Amino acid sequence: DIQMTQSPSSLSASVGDRVTMTCRASQGISNYLNWYQQRPGKAPKLLIYAASSLQSGVPSRFSGSGSGTDFTLTISSLQPEDFATYYCQQSFGTPRYTFGQGTKLEI
Amino acid sequence: QVQLVQSGAEVQKPGASVKVSCKASGYTFTTYGLIWVRQAPGQGLEWMGWISTYSGTTNYSPRLQGRVTMTADTSTTTAYMELRSLRSDDTAVYFCARENWIAVAGTSYYFDYWGQGTLVTVSS
Repeated sequence: DIQMTQSPSSLSASVGDRVTMTCRASQGISNYLNWYQQRPGKAPKLLIYAASSLQSGVPSRFSGSGSGTDFTLTISSLQPEDFATYYCQQSFGTPRYTFGQGTKLEI
Repeated sequence: QVQLVQSGAEVQKPGASVKVSCKASGYTFTTYGLIWVRQAPGQGLEWMGWISTYSGTTNYSPRLQGRVTMTADTSTTTAYMELRSLRSDDTAVYFCARENWIAVAGTSYYFDYWGQGTLVTVSS
């Protein structure tokens, strides 16, 4: 199965900061990479699909890039509601999907 | 509007079984597959398996193969996940999610709607 590794595992930042987190696949997955945000006690929410496409209704401060094995999620200007845990997920191995272990974004 | 509504929290003893439901509404049920994901306390997301709501075909995580069964009832637009021989490390929140796709130079799948989660506690 394809393994997904996220870094860092936690990240401290302030409102207004620009932050970037990364996700690495154990093999090439083209652009079959999605990003989710999860707030405590809530279900995950889709942010980015196909590596760089913004899901409808998601603020434009979120962006994704990458292809092959290395991917990034960038938040251009952190807002208070952005402090959450972020997960990447590959769909190259469909329907055997895998998630990264998460990056917790803290104040 | 698209909704996935899951059944309520469960407490089960080790060795027992649990069956969680996921009622879909607001879209054509058989057009989209469904996945099940679980999250142990303080841990990340673990993909458990996938079901085609159209054909009933399933694909399970090797970690759970033999203990999990996923089904879909098209008459009630409800999917089910049954987990048997429960252990304490099966204690988790269980989510269902709809599988959507986009076809541009290949087909990219993603999960755009999620259930609210069902807490399953395994304890003697």
